[in-house]
Amino acid sequence: QVQLQESGPGLVKPSQTLSLTCSVSGASISSGYYFWTWIRQPAGKGLEWIGRIYSRGSTTYSPSLKSRVTLSLDTSKNQVSLKLNSVTAADTAIYYCARGEWPLHSLDIWGQGTMVTASS
Amino acid sequence: QSVLTQPPSTSGTPGQRVTISCSGSSSNIGGNTVDWYQQLPGTAPKLLIYTTNQRPSGVPDRFSGSKSGTSASLAISGLQSEDEADYYCATWDDSLIGVIFGGGTKLTVL
Repeated sequence: QVQLQESGPGLVKPSQTLSLTCSVSGASISSGYYFWTWIRQPAGKGLEWIGRIYSRGSTTYSPSLKSRVTLSLDTSKNQVSLKLNSVTAADTAIYYCARGEWPLHSLDIWGQGTMVTASS
Repeated sequence: QSVLTQPPSTSGTPGQRVTISCSGSSSNIGGNTVDWYQQLPGTAPKLLIYTTNQRPSGVPDRFSGSKSGTSASLAISGLQSEDEADYYCATWDDSLIGVIFGGGTKLTVL
């Protein structure tokens, strides 16, 4: 049974870098045609796609966040990382990681999400 | 404002059939399959429908999806109280080169 668990600081100061980790159990992040996606959801609002990274390491980012986002794989720890720099209050949200499988874009397994607040 | 347009809310009574629409364009729904996600209060989204009309294992056949042109729909028949949730459509956008979500529809079971 594949499970995803997001973790990271719940509070980030404006202008600093938000760093989150998605720990994957029950599957290898570097095998098959899987990709690992980050999505965020501000309180009371809808879902926003941040980007995805394939098991071989290639990435696709949302155009609106592309200049500030970096996704990476740590195969030794079986973790997927998200870094978002120059954060502002608008980046305050619940951040989810989720799994998909090429060639589909659907996300069949989600983590429970982690709340991040950008505030001084 | 989302590229995919969903009604903000809808409602129905137990046993009723409801539909939720998702309107897009030729660069997204028109040329790609659509997924639907259900988000129960306080929980992570769950995949409900994938590739427009397929149900993952464990999803009741009361839920169905369809697409026509640049619009997609989610239908829920035999409405139950536990269906009360937010529903999101999603698809790939060829112009934006990324996944886009609808704004979400809050379903209330009266």
